[in-house]
Amino acid sequence: GAVVSQHPSWVICKSGTSVKIECRSLDFQATTMFWYRQFPKQSLMLMATSNEGSKATYEQGVEKDKFLINHASLTLSTLTVTSAHPEDSSFYICSARKNPARGQGMNTEAFFGQGTRLTVV
Amino acid sequence: AQRVTQPEKLLSVFKGAPVELKCNYSYSGSPELFWYVQYSRQRLQLLLRHISRESIKGFTADLNKGETSFHLKKPFAQEEDSAMYYCALRYSSASKIIFGSGTRLSIRP
Repeated sequence: GAVVSQHPSWVICKSGTSVKIECRSLDFQATTMFWYRQFPKQSLMLMATSNEGSKATYEQGVEKDKFLINHASLTLSTLTVTSAHPEDSSFYICSARKNPARGQGMNTEAFFGQGTRLTVV
Repeated sequence: AQRVTQPEKLLSVFKGAPVELKCNYSYSGSPELFWYVQYSRQRLQLLLRHISRESIKGFTADLNKGETSFHLKKPFAQEEDSAMYYCALRYSSASKIIFGSGTRLSIRP
């Protein structure tokens, strides 16, 4: 089956530092990946759409300079939380949409990573 | 704007009882609806999608465009169904998936 792996699973960092979270599709290619944020006991909020080889598309209210996204290959997207503050503490989840096979429609299944818990102290 | 609404935060039923998790959506185009499930300490995983019209683990969901609903149903709940359930909408312009707030289903023995 298709697997999406995030690294690290959890991280604690000091306020003011930057943290990079990786999202890898282990056995499939994903031109498009998505980054979500989940607060305790709340739903997943879409932050941005990551496109391989081009700039990410951010949702309204999400700071581009704060949450840097790089999608340099068909199997890896990274989210860097820059100058982290305690309010950035959250659970970050990525999702990778499997590239369609020839003749297959564009809306293929998206697979989710296990999430990364970020705590900024 | 696109929106997914799950009115119940928590639903608790006895084992063997029927289950219905409500989901309503708001989207002017042609939606693609999903139900995702998250078991304790596990990642989010797809349960079913409306275009498949299939039954997974005894669960079914029918898209009702007139009522803009996609309720999840199971006739006889089992203890292993206890989990967090999210209704989700994909809108085709960018294949983005947005989620409802989730319903925690608790099955009592």
